[in-house]
Amino acid sequence: DGGITQSPKYLFRKEGQNVTLSCEQNLNHDAMYWYRQDPGQGLRLIYYSQIVNDFQKGDIAEGYSVSREKKESFPLTVTSAQKNPTAFYLCASSIDLVRYEQYFGPGTRLTVT
Amino acid sequence: GQQLNQSPQSMFIQEGEDVSMNCTSSSIFNTWLWYKQEPGEGPVLLIALYKAGELTSNGRLTAQFGITRKDSFLNISASIPSDVGIYFCAGYNFGNEKLTFGTGTRLTIIP
Repeated sequence: DGGITQSPKYLFRKEGQNVTLSCEQNLNHDAMYWYRQDPGQGLRLIYYSQIVNDFQKGDIAEGYSVSREKKESFPLTVTSAQKNPTAFYLCASSIDLVRYEQYFGPGTRLTVT
Repeated sequence: GQQLNQSPQSMFIQEGEDVSMNCTSSSIFNTWLWYKQEPGEGPVLLIALYKAGELTSNGRLTAQFGITRKDSFLNISASIPSDVGIYFCAGYNFGNEKLTFGTGTRLTIIP
């Protein structure tokens, strides 16, 4: 079955630690995205990538970093510089940047204490 | 930046009732998408709209792309318990390279 997987589903970290969230897709999509969702709010774009080895900052990139070494994978690192890292993180993909239908993974809930 | 306003923010309805929600923007969009999100899960794409005035159905769901291109509407007919969740609209315009999401409409079905 084609789809997007995110792991783990729940992640707990101590303040000051970096943490990397995994996102893998087997849809053969070129474009991938990371969003952050806070309770009662919409989705805010962190980073996106339209092709391997290329990525762009979204609206709230500060305190986050990404890499795109393979088409299938787009990991997100939440660094210690992110002031409010506790949130629900969603990865998505689309065929490319101009086919706008984005498909989402199941999400990772990160709690930092 | 662009903003999408969804209304209502929440709805409490009885099973079997029809549901209407809408999304409005201060900017023109070329594409409208509607998603449903259940608690603790990722959003699932329900309907995509590409032309002003377009009306598209997916089972009991019907969505319309407003003629002004600044709004979209989603209707759910004969609601059932599994319709519970948060419905998000999202808009896209050429040259922006990213979707703009609304803040969601939370649908609750009263037994």
